[in-house]
Amino acid sequence: DAGITQSPRHKVTETGTPVTLRCHQTENHRYMYWYRQDPGHGLRLIHYSYGVKDTDKGEVSDGYSVSRSKTEDFLLTLESATSSQTSVYFCATALTTGGNYGYTFGSGTRLTVV
Amino acid sequence: AQSVTQLDSHVSVSEGTPVLLRCNYSSSYSPSLFWYVQHPNKGLQLLLKYTSAATLVKGINGFEAEFKKSETSFHLTKPSAHMSDAAEYFCVVKDSGNQFYFGTGTSLTVIP
Repeated sequence: DAGITQSPRHKVTETGTPVTLRCHQTENHRYMYWYRQDPGHGLRLIHYSYGVKDTDKGEVSDGYSVSRSKTEDFLLTLESATSSQTSVYFCATALTTGGNYGYTFGSGTRLTVV
Repeated sequence: AQSVTQLDSHVSVSEGTPVLLRCNYSSSYSPSLFWYVQHPNKGLQLLLKYTSAATLVKGINGFEAEFKKSETSFHLTKPSAHMSDAAEYFCVVKDSGNQFYFGTGTSLTVIP
């Protein structure tokens, strides 16, 4: 995962505060994804992007927004954090060929909402 | 619609014995299938992938998986478990678009 950097790696925030997680890639991959990982649920897709300024919702998008102003950066924002958003968040990228080579994952961001 | 079912949430094996992690999928299309491994406090790493070539796929660290269309299965195997194999394993299916669907994971414990 050397080509993908997630920041911060850990964060504790209070309920009701806005939080932005950053994903930076040097892979020049077109597709980028934000997942959350929770016990018993595997990884669930929050939002994804198929190009600069082109984004779409995943299965658990409520309470989250994203932006992609540059190929290399994909931001995930929790507008008003809730305790249910305590999770580990993973960014992933995929090649332009429809992702047949699978993902490249970042190392994750552990977010705790208190 | 696509879905992935990992049939075991936890698997324990003794070191040196075979590993079998089971995965069934449903897909409206000829899917691409993947296995990922996640070691504690780490990101996910691709183990192997099936993309409509050979049905028996070899991956890293001695793992392999066989695509069986008639059984809609993509089980992960390894002949001899090592202590370093202890991790969480995820089966993933990709549809004809660009969405990936993850199973809920199988936690593998290797007993010395």
